[in-house]
Amino acid sequence: AQSVSQHNHHVILSEAASLELGCNYSYGGTVNLFWYVQYPGQHLQLLLKYFSGDPLVKGIKGFEAEFIKSKFSFNLRKPSVQWSDTAEYFCAVTVNTGGFKTIFGAGTRLFVKA
Amino acid sequence: GAVVSQHPSWVICKSGTSVKIECRSLDFQATTMFWYRQFPKQSLMLMATSNEGSKATYEQGVEKDKFLINHASLTLSTLTVTSAHPEDSSFYICSAPNPWVLGRPQHFGDGTRLSIL
Repeated sequence: AQSVSQHNHHVILSEAASLELGCNYSYGGTVNLFWYVQYPGQHLQLLLKYFSGDPLVKGIKGFEAEFIKSKFSFNLRKPSVQWSDTAEYFCAVTVNTGGFKTIFGAGTRLFVKA
Repeated sequence: GAVVSQHPSWVICKSGTSVKIECRSLDFQATTMFWYRQFPKQSLMLMATSNEGSKATYEQGVEKDKFLINHASLTLSTLTVTSAHPEDSSFYICSAPNPWVLGRPQHFGDGTRLSIL
């Protein structure tokens, strides 16, 4: 069965620190990859996506992610986090198994100390 | 931008009651919508795929008679939790893929918090 694994459940960083959140998926076919963010009290929002082309994708608020097909990974990075980046981050994969469906990782809660 | 509206945002009801949750795509048509369940401190669990004009596709372990899904139009899907019990208390979220954006990212509703007493 398809699955998405996020390596860290909780991450605590100080402002200006660099961030990397790991994401691996298990599916042998074509995938679309996403990172979603959920700020406290808000609904899920799209941070960035990959579906083809350059494996290094840039999203909103200075986030980027790199798709490494050989490693089935799609890690999220940001060179310098801010307090406002405190949120929960979900990696997601859309697969086509006779119909499109999106599978989410367990999420990573990021807390940035001011 | 594309918006998905979910209603109600919070429901409290007695055990044995049936509860209907609506999910609407406001400015795009959605032939497919998804229903998720999120437990505290856990990820979203896909419950079912709602297909306009046909039966929903349920994930393994999800009772189709318990969670009735109807997708009667291109902008509306409903999830009815039948004869709800306290163990059905959870946060239910719907989403719809935006057909106009490459990669078809999901647009999420704000979720419905269901509390069964």
